[in-house]
Amino acid sequence: AQSVTQPDIHITVSEGASLELRCNYSYGATPYLFWYVQSPGQGLQLLLKYFSGDTLVQGIKGFEAEFKRSQSSFNLRKPSVHWSDAAEYFCAVGPDNYGQNFVFGPGTRLSVLP
Amino acid sequence: SAVISQKPSRDICQRGTSLTIQCQVDSQVTMMFWYRQQPGQSLTLIATANQGSEATYESGFVIDKFPISRPNLTFSTLTVSNMSPEDSSIYLCSVSRAMDGELFFGEGSRLTVL
Repeated sequence: AQSVTQPDIHITVSEGASLELRCNYSYGATPYLFWYVQSPGQGLQLLLKYFSGDTLVQGIKGFEAEFKRSQSSFNLRKPSVHWSDAAEYFCAVGPDNYGQNFVFGPGTRLSVLP
Repeated sequence: SAVISQKPSRDICQRGTSLTIQCQVDSQVTMMFWYRQQPGQSLTLIATANQGSEATYESGFVIDKFPISRPNLTFSTLTVSNMSPEDSSIYLCSVSRAMDGELFFGEGSRLTVL
């Protein structure tokens, strides 16, 4: 069965510092990979997705993620964090892009220090 | 993109009562899903709401507890029946369209059961 792990439950960074959120997945075939962000009291918003092709994908709000098949990873990065980036981040994996059988990771809570 | 409206956004309910959550989408969608997000947890899929047929429930969720309606391609309801404090969660409606290749989420319905 497919699974997603996010090793870091909570990360704190200073505003302006770089950020990397880790995501590892277990899936038997080529997965569809997603990163979502959930701000307090809000639903989930898609940051970026990977289906195929270039393994470095760009998303909204200055985020990027790199798919590494050999490491079964899809880590999210941002070169300079803004206070408004404080939120919960979820990595997700699916067998396709139709939404069925998506599996979400446990989430990483990001706190940003002024 | 798809814009999803959920009602109510939050509610406080008494044990033993039932609450119906509505999900309205601004365009026709094939796939609609209901997720539960327990406090401090990730998302768990409750069921897939199928238009014109019964919903498909995930393991651990049953129709008697979470009846779902999907009368057309833009609307669905989820009822949480005979509520207990353990049902206190955020319930999220989500949709997908093949053309978009992603899940869109409503802002969620935060339910507190006393």
